[in-house]
Amino acid sequence: SAVISQKPSRDICQRGTSLTIQCQVDSQVTMMFWYRQQPGQSLTLIATANQGSEATYESGFVIDKFPISRPNLTFSTLTVSNMSPEDSSIYLCSGGRANTEAFFGQGTRLTVV
Amino acid sequence: AQSVSQHNHHVILSEAASLELGCNYSYGGTVNLFWYVQYPGQHLQLLLKYFSGDPLVKGIKGFEAEFIKSKFSFNLRKPSVQWSDTAEYFCACYNQGGKLIFGQGTELSVKP
Repeated sequence: SAVISQKPSRDICQRGTSLTIQCQVDSQVTMMFWYRQQPGQSLTLIATANQGSEATYESGFVIDKFPISRPNLTFSTLTVSNMSPEDSSIYLCSGGRANTEAFFGQGTRLTVV
Repeated sequence: AQSVSQHNHHVILSEAASLELGCNYSYGGTVNLFWYVQYPGQHLQLLLKYFSGDPLVKGIKGFEAEFIKSKFSFNLRKPSVQWSDTAEYFCACYNQGGKLIFGQGTELSVKP
């Protein structure tokens, strides 16, 4: 199994600022994803982080708002840009290999004030 | 678009009651199905998974799920719940594009 580490685990940010979340996996995974879990809701896929190329975003999410990097197989970052209170959520990194289970980090709880 | 639907948003049971949580998926091709659990304040953990073979899958902590292809369903069951099963349960499905899509989640509250 893979262990997924995310940091920071939580943060309180001022509106208009940006926060970069880091995700590190302990073994080589072929696929990495970023999810958002708003209070009381399910996980919504933001994007697939592609190694060495631009991420693939889901409908409703754009690169300008959520730029993602994945410079190698085991590391990715998600930036939440120009934050507003509506961005308050838990952001989760996920990693796995094709046709196997996905592993999740503990998430980053973001509060925008 | 592919979707996963969970019918029960909040289920309240007494200890020792039997549990069945519904999950339906819309994807018509080969699917890999999962149930995850999120205990209060903790990260998502895998309960069980189905890739192929026996459609009755047994997972951890006494949970099982049955894949019924004709009904596009993957319902989660446990014969006797415990207070410690109180958590949020998520059904999820991989499609051939490798995206893991989640259902809305079901909050299970078990009364001692």
